[in-house]
Amino acid sequence: AQSVTQPDIHITVSEGASLELRCNYSYGATPYLFWYVQSPGQGLQLLLKYFSGDTLVQGIKGFEAEFKRSQSSFNLRKPSVHWSDAAEYFCAVGDGGGATNKLIFGTGTLLAVQP
Amino acid sequence: GAVVSQHPSWVICKSGTSVKIECRSLDFQATTMFWYRQFPKQSLMLMATSNEGSKATYEQGVEKDKFLINHASLTLSTLTVTSAHPEDSSFYICSALADRTYNSPLHFGNGTRLTVT
Repeated sequence: AQSVTQPDIHITVSEGASLELRCNYSYGATPYLFWYVQSPGQGLQLLLKYFSGDTLVQGIKGFEAEFKRSQSSFNLRKPSVHWSDAAEYFCAVGDGGGATNKLIFGTGTLLAVQP
Repeated sequence: GAVVSQHPSWVICKSGTSVKIECRSLDFQATTMFWYRQFPKQSLMLMATSNEGSKATYEQGVEKDKFLINHASLTLSTLTVTSAHPEDSSFYICSALADRTYNSPLHFGNGTRLTVT
């Protein structure tokens, strides 16, 4: 069964510093991978997704992620973090085979941004 | 862009009562809707998948008689928590899918915070 692991529960970075959030997946076939962001008490907003093609994916708000099949990873990066980026970030893998887009989420990484 | 409206955004109810949560796709028709549950500081757990006009498919361990899902139209799915108990207190989030192509995006509602006293 597919699964997603986000090793870091909580990360604190300084504003302006670079950011990398880790995500590892377990999936037999080519995975459909997603990163979502959730602000407190809110739903989820899609940052970016990977289905195929270029392994470096650009998303909204200056985020990017790189799919590395050999490492089963899909880490999220941002070169310079803004205070408004403080939120919880979820990596997810989708079962695209059934075209139903059922998502399996990781446990999330809570990002705090220091001034 | 596509908007999914979830109502209410928060609700407090007494133990033993039932609560209905609505999930509407405002500017598109949702062939499929998903209901997730999120415990504090935890991830989202898929509860069920609902397709318009058919019975919902529940994930293992989710009580179908307790969490009633109705997807009567292409723009509305409802989740009813029956005979709610304090352990049902959680954050419930719906998401909607416009079509079933593999790259069709999911659109999430803003969630409903349920507190059972």
